[in-house]
Amino acid sequence: GENVEQHPSTLSVQEGDSAVIKCTYSDSASNYFPWYKQELGKRPQLIIDIRSNVGEKKDQRIAVTLNKTAKHFSLHITETQPEDSAVYFCAASKIQGAQKLVFGQGTRLTINP
Amino acid sequence: ETGVTQTPRHLVMGMTNKKSLKCEQHLGHNAMYWYKQSAKKPLELMFVYSLEERVENNSVPSRFSPECPNSSHLFLHLHTLQPEDSALYLCASSQARPGQGAGEQYFGPGTRLTVT
Repeated sequence: GENVEQHPSTLSVQEGDSAVIKCTYSDSASNYFPWYKQELGKRPQLIIDIRSNVGEKKDQRIAVTLNKTAKHFSLHITETQPEDSAVYFCAASKIQGAQKLVFGQGTRLTINP
Repeated sequence: ETGVTQTPRHLVMGMTNKKSLKCEQHLGHNAMYWYKQSAKKPLELMFVYSLEERVENNSVPSRFSPECPNSSHLFLHLHTLQPEDSALYLCASSQARPGQGAGEQYFGPGTRLTVT
């Protein structure tokens, strides 16, 4: 089955700097890669996703890149702000009727003012 | 109520108790999920229901028993749990679209379960 590895487990950056979180997956048949953000005490929420027919996707300060050959994908957050502090989870699955997401271990991102 | 709701929000139970977790989605979705979130472990998919039919059971112990009576409600029945089952149990829902797969999964706030 699918296995997703996520690094780093913790990340601390200065406000205004960029943050990068990386994930690798094992199943070459996976073709859907979402990123979820979970603030302290709150539910996970989707922030961006990418499908394997696309190499990069951007939404304002957030971007995701996908390298199918190497089986890794990354989340990039630019101009970080204190409200970006949260735990970020990557996931992978096949595009199907009911998404069977396999999640990475999570990255706790702290933005220092 | 909007989105995905879960009750109770907190539950403490002994190892010999029987309890149930409830999830309700108000989004008109056709797929529902149970996840377990433990400290220092990734979100673990437990069960998936699509159109009220169970399509995934990730080798979850039989002391966890799901039930999906209709597309809006999902239950997780618990009995004879172990202390290591203490965790945050999250419910989610999504809408599968023909040819596009399921869309975004919307999570509920979770039930914090403590087994004593």
